[in-house]
Amino acid sequence: GNSVTQMEGPVTLSEEAFLTINCTYTATGYPSLFWYVQYPGEGLQLLLKATKADDKGSNKGFEATYRKETTSFHLEKGSVQVSDSAVYFCALILNMFSGGYNKLIFGAGTRLAVHP
Amino acid sequence: NAGVTQTPKFQVLKTGQSMTLQCAQDMNHNSMYWYRQDPGMGLRLIYYSASEGTTDKGEVPNGYNVSRLNKREFSLRLESAAPSQTSVYFCASSEATAALSGANVLTFGAGSRLTVL
Repeated sequence: GNSVTQMEGPVTLSEEAFLTINCTYTATGYPSLFWYVQYPGEGLQLLLKATKADDKGSNKGFEATYRKETTSFHLEKGSVQVSDSAVYFCALILNMFSGGYNKLIFGAGTRLAVHP
Repeated sequence: NAGVTQTPKFQVLKTGQSMTLQCAQDMNHNSMYWYRQDPGMGLRLIYYSASEGTTDKGEVPNGYNVSRLNKREFSLRLESAAPSQTSVYFCASSEATAALSGANVLTFGAGSRLTVL
């Protein structure tokens, strides 16, 4: 089946450290890939996305590259801040051009805690 | 713009009680969704509405009903609450469900935390 696997958290880092959150997927067909972020007490927000292999999504200093050969979409940031503390969700959606519902499949989420 | 607004933010129920979670969006989106979020399980789709007048089951529909009241509003009803329905519920909306899936970005509400005793 189609699924998303993320590294378990929590990930605890000092401010200005390098961040990697691993995400791998299993999908039939050609998915689009997303990272959503959930700040405390809020709903999920789209952080970045990539719609085809080798695309790089980027936003707010975060980056992720769609790697078809390794079925991965790892999230990286060169220097994290306390304000980046949140839960990060990797997700995929299948490109179903025949129409119908394109189901968004989420990973379990990875909590990031950044301390000064 | 308010985006997606959910009410209530918090609710405590006793087993067997009923309640309705309300959701409204002001972005003129066609599609709306209800998810539940449980620790270690990510978000799971309960029901969705691809367009006004239609609703369909998601991954975990048992124990829930929905109503797409109009294009703006999509409510989730628990007829007889059970402790297993203790969760955080999120409503979301998007322009469309089909075809251009790369553009199918969901906008989420802030969530409703439900506890069933």
